[in-house]
This record gives sequence, C-alpha cells and structure tokens, in this order.
Amino acid sequence: KAGVTQTPRYLIKTRGQQVTLSCSPISGHRSVSWYQQTPGQGLQFLFEYFSETQRNKGNFPGRFSGRQFSNSRSEMNVSTLELGDSALYLCASSIDRVTEAFFGQGTRLTVV
Amino acid sequence: GEDVEQSLFLSVREGDSSVINCTYTDSSSTYLYWYKQEPGAGLQLLTYIFSNMDMKQDQRLTVLLNKKDKHLSLRIADTQTGDSAIYFCAEPGSGGYNKLIFGAGTRLAVHP
Repeated sequence: KAGVTQTPRYLIKTRGQQVTLSCSPISGHRSVSWYQQTPGQGLQFLFEYFSETQRNKGNFPGRFSGRQFSNSRSEMNVSTLELGDSALYLCASSIDRVTEAFFGQGTRLTVV
Repeated sequence: GEDVEQSLFLSVREGDSSVINCTYTDSSSTYLYWYKQEPGAGLQLLTYIFSNMDMKQDQRLTVLLNKKDKHLSLRIADTQTGDSAIYFCAEPGSGGYNKLIFGAGTRLAVHP
C-alpha cells in the first residue's frame, strides 16, 4: 500500500513568487491535513480538507490556501512568498477521524 | 488555550530506558499521540492512547497517561541508536476533525 506522497520534495523560490505543493493521500483516505514546520514555531496546523471541503483552518494569513480534488489529492498554494515562509510543509492523510494520521515526507520550501 | 509542552532534549546510553514527558492542556482530548521524526523525514505515528486508558504497551514502547495532571509519557525500553530522533507529543485541536496540536519535540540522542 503506497504511503502519502508529496511533490516536489525540495523547492527554491524568490520572494514575491507563488508556489503550489501537492499531496496524494493513501488510497481510500479522504481527509488531508497540511502543516508547516519551522525551527522557531514548530509544527503548526494550516488546514484540513475532507471530500473537497475545507473543514478546519489554522491561524495563517490568506496567502495560504488549499484545495482538494475529487480523487482526494490536495494542493496548497502560497502567494506572494516571504522569507518567513521557508519551512518544511507536511501533509497527513487519514480515513476520517484522526485516530491514525499518516504523514508524507514533506516538501522543503526555501524562499530567497 | 491549546498548548502541548515537552522538554527539548534527552540523552541516554544505548541499552538504557528513555522516558519522554509531555503535558497537554485540553482535558477533553479523546486521543493523545506520539510521533517520531528522523532527520530529513516526515512524521511517523508511533502510538496513541485513548483518554480512558492509563497505560498502553506496544513492544518496547510504553505510554502512561495521567489525566488528573494532564501528563503523558513515552518510555522506550532498551534504547538503540536507531531510536535517535525527535519525538512529538500531540493532541487533537479545537474545531474537531483532523487537526493536531504538537509539542515542540524532544530530541533523543542515544550514545554508546
């Protein structure tokens, strides 16, 4: 059974640009959550999608957005990148309730 | 508010037991989790405990839950060098669904 797949693994962008990250959940999992991990703030919840609907959102500015497709794959987008957006972005998939959430390897975004 | 606290660093000798501690704030948490993160990797779910349990054992791992003090611990028996990693305690966040609140992580260093 394939795990959670995040692409790309590494990304370098310039301030002001925008970026799109992708997450393919485990087959049969309909919930995808996104987290930002930084040395200073640790792991912070961005948002969660279930059946193409955003059910929960963390305290991030509107530059951070996401969506989920009918096949449960999810994308997150960050517009007008800032240096502080440099982080490891992790997605997690689960069947529904968070009894077991499985994480991908993450996308490491560097903003220069 | 939502807050999970952990000590940041633990050093143990190979073969000894490791105990990683965590305190959480939400007394209504139904599940509490331990995740492991190795360098350059995503998060691996190690184990979780339901809030009506005091203890859960899974091979070398023992989780103890003290609901009165909102204290959770993870004991790793016969610690090996392969156990060197960052360990995160997590509880479900507000708003329901699949949002996790993570501690800052405890870096476990295992030395010969």
